Amino acid sequence: NAGVMQNPRHLVRRRGQEARLRCSPMKGHSHVYWYRQLPEEGLKFMVYLQKENIIDESGMPKERFSAEFPKEGPSILRIQQVVRGDSAAYFCASSPYRGSKNIQYFGAGTRLSVL
Amino acid sequence: AQKITQTQPGMFVQEKEAVTLDCTYDTSDQSYGLFWYKQPSSGEMIFLIYQGSYDEQNATEGRYSLNFQKARKSANLVISASQLGDSAMYFCAMREGIQGAQKLVFGQGTRLTINP
Repeated sequence: NAGVMQNPRHLVRRRGQEARLRCSPMKGHSHVYWYRQLPEEGLKFMVYLQKENIIDESGMPKERFSAEFPKEGPSILRIQQVVRGDSAAYFCASSPYRGSKNIQYFGAGTRLSVL
Repeated sequence: AQKITQTQPGMFVQEKEAVTLDCTYDTSDQSYGLFWYKQPSSGEMIFLIYQGSYDEQNATEGRYSLNFQKARKSANLVISASQLGDSAMYFCAMREGIQGAQKLVFGQGTRLTINP
């Protein structure tokens, strides 16, 4: 039973390029969450999606960042025109439902480095 | 104001000793969930244990237990008989509400080092 799969594990981009981060949730999970972790800090919530819907994007920067979770295929976190401050680890988590005892299981993360 | 506070940036413990990692939280909700995750040096986030605000018993998962003191708003993680493989960052997290917001709010973490 595969866990949450994120790719790539490491991504290097130059300033101004686009970064696309992919997340395949655990089998049977239809809820996906994206978090960002700066060095030596805890994770910060970015966005929560269900299939084809954004449920909560209160943690997403207003510009350059977008997320989708299509009916078919992985969830994508897209960062346009990356800047050095976007360098961080981006984690995806999934859960089977919302509600009590809703455990979010995390992927191994994508480490984005912006040169 | 910090929702989740982990006051121990780093801890050093001898192998086979028990260790308690502190976590206090701040919420006005009656329904909430508390979580602990482990992040080893390889970087992944591993779920350890969950405690619901209405759970009367402290949660236990193998060598992990959660010392839940609701009135003090604390949710300390206890690891019994520590092992070298327990060396990692440990994060406490909270989800407020049950049917509402599903996002987790994380503390700053505690770096645990187990010495042989």
